[in-house]
Amino acid sequence: GAGVSQSPSNKVTEKGKDVELRCDPISGHTALYWYRQSLGQGLEFLIYFQGNSAPDKSGLPSDRFSAERTGGSVSTLTIQRTQQEDSAVYLCASSPSGTRVFFGPGTRLTVL
Amino acid sequence: AQSVTQPDIHITVSEGASLELRCNYSYGATPYLFWYVQSPGQGLQLLLKYFSGDTLVQGIKGFEAEFKRSQSSFNLRKPSVHWSDAAEYFCAVGSLIQGAQKLVFGQGTRLTINP
Repeated sequence: GAGVSQSPSNKVTEKGKDVELRCDPISGHTALYWYRQSLGQGLEFLIYFQGNSAPDKSGLPSDRFSAERTGGSVSTLTIQRTQQEDSAVYLCASSPSGTRVFFGPGTRLTVL
Repeated sequence: AQSVTQPDIHITVSEGASLELRCNYSYGATPYLFWYVQSPGQGLQLLLKYFSGDTLVQGIKGFEAEFKRSQSSFNLRKPSVHWSDAAEYFCAVGSLIQGAQKLVFGQGTRLTINP
């Protein structure tokens, strides 16, 4: 079956521009997560959505970052006014009932 | 707060040699523990997990890990490594909140295999 998919796989943008990263979770998975992987910070939790509960946004690094999940499925992570320190690989993951978490291939974001 | 420490940033072993990657965690209750592997340019793949029960867990690709509560450790082992095992390995501790598994990762250990 299909795994977690993310698009685009690579994104290059200029400082100050807004970007949107998309995640398609595995069908039927109730939980969806965003993580960021960067050289200096390792793998950091950003946000997760679980069913109809309010999302846990505790890992978002600033108010320039936001995410939404529509219809309990697809999610979009938006970064406004990008900065060079936002350059990283953004990983999406999903899980059924909170046991095993499946990760997507990631979107590599480069901010020039 | 939960935390995970992987003391070894980089390990080099010869093909066919045994391997042990260290992981120590900090968590107030019985933890959910995971090992993931990331090959170059690839996403994270789950090797194995521990939730409860037998403290020695078997995973894919011939890996195993042992949960030792007294040492707050969850070390990953493989008796004989293959060149294809060269990758980055991440230990993680999870907390189950309303059905979602929130993971905290260690900094990772990069494994190099000598022929």
